[in-house]
Amino acid sequence: QKEVEQNSGPLSVPEGAIASLNCTYSDRGSQSFFWYRQYSGKSPELIMSIYSNGDKEDGRFTAQLNKASQYVSLLIRDSQPSDSATYLCAVKRARDAGGTSYGKLTFGQGTILTVHP
Amino acid sequence: DGGITQSPKYLFRKEGQNVTLSCEQNLNHDAMYWYRQDPGQGLRLIYYSQIVNDFQKGDIAEGYSVSREKKESFPLTVTSAQKNPTAFYLCASSITGGDYNEQFFGPGTRLTVL
Repeated sequence: QKEVEQNSGPLSVPEGAIASLNCTYSDRGSQSFFWYRQYSGKSPELIMSIYSNGDKEDGRFTAQLNKASQYVSLLIRDSQPSDSATYLCAVKRARDAGGTSYGKLTFGQGTILTVHP
Repeated sequence: DGGITQSPKYLFRKEGQNVTLSCEQNLNHDAMYWYRQDPGQGLRLIYYSQIVNDFQKGDIAEGYSVSREKKESFPLTVTSAQKNPTAFYLCASSITGGDYNEQFFGPGTRLTVL
């Protein structure tokens, strides 16, 4: 089982629709969850962080976290062609086995989203 | 204007050569990271450093080396021992000391072995 797994995609939605991107993780010690957007040929850009169960909204983006189900999702409302990109889910433990905190992220393989006019 | 810079943007290497990728940040972040991305895949951690003069191996450190002599700089050397170095290399940085440190990425260096 992969540590972080995203829906395989590619995902294609019409302009104005809701795009739903999903991510599951295997490590119950995970505490911090991030969504990055990566345009073709560019570096990842952080768009959402979530740490507590429930929903977190930022503009057209909503991140949803369910730690019991080990599931995090990203909803994009009113999708625009400019949202077309690869979306990467990343997961971080709060503490490693030694009790120290460090910023190791484990990434999913990414989901390609295409928003067509 | 704070941020992370990487150079060069594109790099071509002959078989058997060592090359060094530059990463500089002026965000005053203590932690810095190097990732590798292959086509259609997520990012894999090569090395990370939480403080000057200290660094740790990530998941795929073989064939790579780093140094951290200054807080702002974390260069990565891809050695001839790295069997398949063609990839997109990404440098990131974050604060330390908390549980939720967000990582921010530089623009990347695309390395091709000829």
